[in-house]
Amino acid sequence: KQEVTQIPAALSVPEGENLVLNCSFTDSAIYNLQWFRQDPGKGLTSLLLIQSSQREQTSGRLNASLDKSSGRSTLYIAASQPGDSATYLCAVRGNTPLVFGKGTRLSVIA
Amino acid sequence: GAVVSQHPSWVICKSGTSVKIECRSLDFQATTMFWYRQFPKQSLMLMATSNEGSKATYEQGVEKDKFLINHASLTLSTLTVTSAHPEDSSFYICSVRGKDIQYFGAGTRLSVL
Repeated sequence: KQEVTQIPAALSVPEGENLVLNCSFTDSAIYNLQWFRQDPGKGLTSLLLIQSSQREQTSGRLNASLDKSSGRSTLYIAASQPGDSATYLCAVRGNTPLVFGKGTRLSVIA
Repeated sequence: GAVVSQHPSWVICKSGTSVKIECRSLDFQATTMFWYRQFPKQSLMLMATSNEGSKATYEQGVEKDKFLINHASLTLSTLTVTSAHPEDSSFYICSVRGKDIQYFGAGTRLSVL
């Protein structure tokens, strides 16, 4: 059974810092991995999708990497802004629907 | 624009009543939809897979008689929480799988008094 772990559970940084969020999964037989953002009390916003054959994807200040063999992904946020404050969820898709980690709660302080 | 529409966004009900949540796929026909539940500060947990024209597939530990799922058309799935109790208070989110990406509704916050 796939298990997804995200570290750290919470992170607080000053505005402007670059930061890395970590995600690990136990079963490397995945089709793809998605990173989502969730604001308090809201639904999910898809940030990046990495196919199993890809090593990274970039969108603006966000860069996600995937090391499928070691079961790891990272989300890199450059030049963080207060508007980046949210919970970031990592989810993997294998033969089942998306399996989620518990997320990293990010606070960017102005 | 939104790919998945979920309604209502927030509902408060008395214990013992039933609540229906609708999930619509706006951009494409979906033979399969997914229902997730999220408790405070927890991750999303898959409850069931909704299959158009057939019975839903429930995850282990999810009561099928309590969480009724109807997927009557290719664009609409409904989740009915029957005889809701305070412990059913949670955030319910539906999802539709596109070619690669899973799209999510905005979620429904259920509060049972």
